[in-house]
Amino acid sequence: EAQVTQNPRYLITVTGKKLTVTCSQNMNHEYMSWYRQDPGLGLRQIYYSMNVEVTDKGDVPEGYKVSRKEKRNFPLILESPSPNQTSLYFCASRPAGYYEQYFGPGTRLTVT
Amino acid sequence: GQQVMQIPQYQHVQEGEDFTTYCNSSTTLSNIQWYKQRPGGHPVFLIQLVKSGEVKKQKRLTFQFGEAKKNSSLHITATQTTDVGTYFCAAYMNRDDKIIFGKGTRLHILP
Repeated sequence: EAQVTQNPRYLITVTGKKLTVTCSQNMNHEYMSWYRQDPGLGLRQIYYSMNVEVTDKGDVPEGYKVSRKEKRNFPLILESPSPNQTSLYFCASRPAGYYEQYFGPGTRLTVT
Repeated sequence: GQQVMQIPQYQHVQEGEDFTTYCNSSTTLSNIQWYKQRPGGHPVFLIQLVKSGEVKKQKRLTFQFGEAKKNSSLHITATQTTDVGTYFCAAYMNRDDKIIFGKGTRLHILP
Protein backbone atom coordinates (compact mmCIF):
# COMPACT_ATOMS: atom_id res chain seq x y z
CA GLU A 1 0.00 0.00 0.00
CA ALA A 2 1.35 3.40 -1.01
CA GLN A 3 1.81 5.45 2.10
CA VAL A 4 3.76 7.92 4.18
CA THR A 5 4.54 6.78 7.71
CA GLN A 6 5.63 8.85 10.67
CA ASN A 7 6.91 7.84 14.08
CA PRO A 8 6.17 8.41 16.81
CA ARG A 9 2.51 9.44 16.50
CA TYR A 10 2.50 11.07 19.91
CA LEU A 11 5.40 12.39 21.95
CA ILE A 12 5.65 14.30 25.20
CA THR A 13 9.11 15.55 26.04
CA VAL A 14 10.92 18.15 28.07
CA THR A 15 12.68 21.31 27.02
CA GLY A 16 16.17 20.69 25.64
CA LYS A 17 15.96 16.94 25.13
CA LYS A 18 16.91 16.17 21.54
CA LEU A 19 14.38 14.23 19.54
CA THR A 20 13.87 12.88 16.04
CA VAL A 21 10.60 12.30 14.23
CA THR A 22 10.97 9.83 11.41
CA CYS A 23 9.20 9.96 8.06
CA SER A 24 9.27 7.32 5.38
CA GLN A 25 7.50 6.96 2.03
CA ASN A 26 7.30 3.91 -0.23
CA MET A 27 6.28 5.67 -3.44
CA ASN A 28 9.74 6.63 -4.69
CA HIS A 29 8.80 10.30 -4.51
CA GLU A 30 11.49 12.91 -5.07
CA TYR A 31 9.95 15.67 -2.97
CA MET A 32 9.39 15.45 0.76
CA SER A 33 8.32 18.15 3.20
CA TRP A 34 7.71 18.77 6.85
CA TYR A 35 4.84 20.94 8.02
CA ARG A 36 3.62 22.06 11.39
CA GLN A 37 -0.04 22.77 12.01
CA ASP A 38 -1.17 25.18 14.70
CA PRO A 39 -4.69 26.50 15.37
CA GLY A 40 -5.46 29.51 13.24
CA LEU A 41 -2.15 29.29 11.37
CA GLY A 42 -2.86 26.44 8.99
CA LEU A 43 -0.02 24.33 7.59
CA ARG A 44 3.37 25.97 7.62
CA GLN A 45 6.31 24.40 5.86
CA ILE A 46 9.39 23.79 7.98
CA TYR A 47 11.81 22.21 5.50
CA TYR A 48 11.58 20.43 2.19
CA SER A 49 13.76 18.22 0.08
CA MET A 50 13.83 17.93 -3.69
CA ASN A 51 15.88 14.75 -3.70
CA VAL A 52 18.63 12.89 -1.85
CA GLU A 53 21.08 15.28 -0.21
CA VAL A 54 19.09 18.33 -1.41
CA THR A 55 17.15 20.23 1.24
CA ASP A 56 15.95 23.79 1.69
CA LYS A 57 14.29 25.91 4.31
CA GLY A 58 10.57 26.45 4.35
CA ASP A 59 8.75 29.25 6.12
CA VAL A 60 9.50 28.30 9.75
CA PRO A 61 12.85 26.44 9.86
CA GLU A 62 14.22 27.89 13.11
CA GLY A 63 14.91 25.22 15.72
CA TYR A 64 14.67 22.31 13.27
CA LYS A 65 17.09 20.25 11.21
CA VAL A 66 16.50 17.68 8.49
CA SER A 67 18.51 15.24 6.46
CA ARG A 68 17.85 13.26 3.29
CA LYS A 69 20.39 10.50 3.05
CA GLU A 70 18.01 8.07 1.40
CA LYS A 71 15.18 8.81 -0.98
CA ARG A 72 12.53 7.19 1.19
CA ASN A 73 13.43 8.80 4.53
CA PHE A 74 13.27 12.40 5.70
CA PRO A 75 13.70 12.70 9.47
CA LEU A 76 12.95 15.88 11.38
CA ILE A 77 15.37 16.68 14.18
CA LEU A 78 14.78 19.00 17.11
CA GLU A 79 18.19 19.50 18.70
CA SER A 80 16.88 21.44 21.70
CA PRO A 81 13.08 21.45 21.76
CA SER A 82 11.27 24.37 23.32
CA PRO A 83 7.60 24.74 24.35
CA ASN A 84 6.84 26.87 21.28
CA GLN A 85 7.55 23.78 19.18
CA THR A 86 4.52 22.06 20.68
CA SER A 87 2.47 21.34 17.58
CA LEU A 88 1.05 18.79 15.18
CA TYR A 89 3.65 17.79 12.60
CA PHE A 90 3.00 16.32 9.17
CA CYS A 91 5.38 14.81 6.69
CA ALA A 92 4.35 14.83 3.03
CA SER A 93 5.76 13.59 -0.25
CA ARG A 94 5.10 14.07 -3.96
CA PRO A 95 6.71 13.02 -7.22
CA ALA A 96 8.71 15.53 -9.23
CA GLY A 97 6.56 17.43 -11.71
CA TYR A 98 3.37 16.69 -9.82
CA TYR A 99 1.83 18.75 -7.04
CA GLU A 100 -0.52 16.36 -5.28
CA GLN A 101 1.01 15.70 -1.87
CA TYR A 102 0.58 12.56 0.20
CA PHE A 103 0.55 13.25 3.91
CA GLY A 104 1.58 11.05 6.79
CA PRO A 105 -0.77 10.53 9.74
CA GLY A 106 0.84 13.25 11.84
CA THR A 107 2.91 13.45 15.02
CA ARG A 108 1.54 15.34 17.97
CA LEU A 109 4.44 16.76 19.94
CA THR A 110 4.20 18.37 23.35
CA VAL A 111 7.25 20.06 24.85
CA THR A 112 6.98 20.95 28.54
CA GLY B 1 6.59 36.18 1.25
CA GLN B 2 3.94 35.07 -1.13
CA GLN B 3 0.63 34.18 0.45
CA VAL B 4 -2.61 32.51 -0.37
CA MET B 5 -5.50 34.04 1.55
CA GLN B 6 -8.36 31.70 2.39
CA ILE B 7 -11.75 32.78 3.72
CA PRO B 8 -13.72 32.27 5.81
CA GLN B 9 -11.70 30.81 8.65
CA TYR B 10 -14.74 29.08 10.11
CA GLN B 11 -18.19 28.28 8.78
CA HIS B 12 -21.17 26.79 10.56
CA VAL B 13 -23.99 25.59 8.33
CA GLN B 14 -27.18 23.64 8.85
CA GLU B 15 -27.11 20.20 7.32
CA GLY B 16 -28.45 20.52 3.79
CA GLU B 17 -27.24 24.10 3.28
CA ASP B 18 -24.53 24.98 0.80
CA PHE B 19 -20.96 25.95 1.71
CA THR B 20 -18.25 27.84 -0.13
CA THR B 21 -14.62 28.58 0.71
CA TYR B 22 -12.44 30.95 -1.27
CA CYS B 23 -8.73 31.29 -1.93
CA ASN B 24 -7.13 34.45 -3.25
CA SER B 25 -3.65 35.38 -4.33
CA SER B 26 -2.10 38.67 -5.42
CA THR B 27 0.01 36.82 -7.98
CA THR B 28 -0.86 34.49 -10.82
CA LEU B 29 -0.80 30.86 -9.75
CA SER B 30 0.55 27.98 -11.82
CA ASN B 31 -2.02 25.65 -10.34
CA ILE B 32 -4.06 25.14 -7.20
CA GLN B 33 -4.88 22.05 -5.18
CA TRP B 34 -7.61 21.44 -2.65
CA TYR B 35 -7.33 19.20 0.39
CA LYS B 36 -9.71 17.99 3.08
CA GLN B 37 -8.67 17.22 6.63
CA ARG B 38 -11.15 15.35 8.77
CA PRO B 39 -11.06 16.04 12.53
CA GLY B 40 -8.09 14.16 13.96
CA GLY B 41 -6.88 13.21 10.51
CA HIS B 42 -4.36 14.32 7.95
CA PRO B 43 -4.89 16.40 4.79
CA VAL B 44 -6.11 14.34 1.86
CA PHE B 45 -5.84 15.55 -1.71
CA LEU B 46 -9.14 16.29 -3.43
CA ILE B 47 -8.36 17.88 -6.77
CA GLN B 48 -6.01 20.04 -8.80
CA LEU B 49 -6.95 22.91 -11.11
CA VAL B 50 -4.55 24.11 -13.76
CA LYS B 51 -6.34 25.99 -16.53
CA SER B 52 -7.76 29.49 -16.44
CA GLY B 53 -11.51 29.35 -15.74
CA GLU B 54 -11.41 25.62 -15.08
CA VAL B 55 -14.39 24.03 -13.33
CA LYS B 56 -14.34 20.51 -11.97
CA LYS B 57 -16.98 18.56 -10.09
CA GLN B 58 -16.85 15.67 -7.67
CA LYS B 59 -20.40 14.68 -6.74
CA ARG B 60 -21.61 17.57 -4.54
CA LEU B 61 -18.28 19.43 -4.68
CA THR B 62 -17.58 22.04 -7.36
CA PHE B 63 -14.11 23.53 -7.77
CA GLN B 64 -13.36 26.66 -9.79
CA PHE B 65 -10.18 28.40 -10.88
CA GLY B 66 -10.52 32.06 -11.74
CA GLU B 67 -9.98 33.45 -15.20
CA ALA B 68 -6.90 35.36 -14.05
CA LYS B 69 -5.63 32.31 -12.10
CA LYS B 70 -5.47 34.38 -8.93
CA ASN B 71 -8.42 32.89 -7.10
CA SER B 72 -10.25 29.64 -6.59
CA SER B 73 -13.31 28.36 -4.80
CA LEU B 74 -14.72 25.13 -3.45
CA HIS B 75 -18.50 24.88 -3.24
CA ILE B 76 -20.36 22.06 -1.52
CA THR B 77 -24.02 21.63 -2.36
CA ALA B 78 -26.41 20.32 0.30
CA THR B 79 -23.86 19.64 3.00
CA GLN B 80 -23.88 16.36 4.91
CA THR B 81 -22.32 15.46 8.25
CA THR B 82 -19.56 13.64 6.37
CA ASP B 83 -18.41 17.00 4.98
CA VAL B 84 -17.20 18.14 8.41
CA GLY B 85 -13.53 19.05 8.44
CA THR B 86 -11.05 21.66 7.36
CA TYR B 87 -10.62 22.48 3.69
CA PHE B 88 -7.27 23.80 2.49
CA CYS B 89 -6.21 25.27 -0.77
CA ALA B 90 -2.58 24.99 -1.81
CA ALA B 91 -0.87 26.78 -4.67
CA TYR B 92 2.32 25.97 -6.50
CA MET B 93 4.62 28.98 -6.77
CA ASN B 94 6.65 28.38 -9.90
CA ARG B 95 9.25 31.03 -9.12
CA ASP B 96 10.19 29.46 -5.79
CA ASP B 97 9.34 25.83 -6.64
CA LYS B 98 7.24 25.83 -3.47
CA ILE B 99 3.71 24.94 -2.49
CA ILE B 100 1.95 27.46 -0.26
CA PHE B 101 -1.10 26.51 1.79
CA GLY B 102 -4.01 28.71 2.73
CA LYS B 103 -4.89 28.71 6.43
CA GLY B 104 -7.93 26.57 5.82
CA THR B 105 -11.67 26.84 6.38
CA ARG B 106 -13.11 24.73 9.16
CA LEU B 107 -16.60 23.54 8.31
CA HIS B 108 -18.97 22.60 11.09
CA ILE B 109 -22.33 21.05 10.29
CA LEU B 110 -25.29 21.68 12.58
CA PRO B 111 -27.73 18.73 12.58
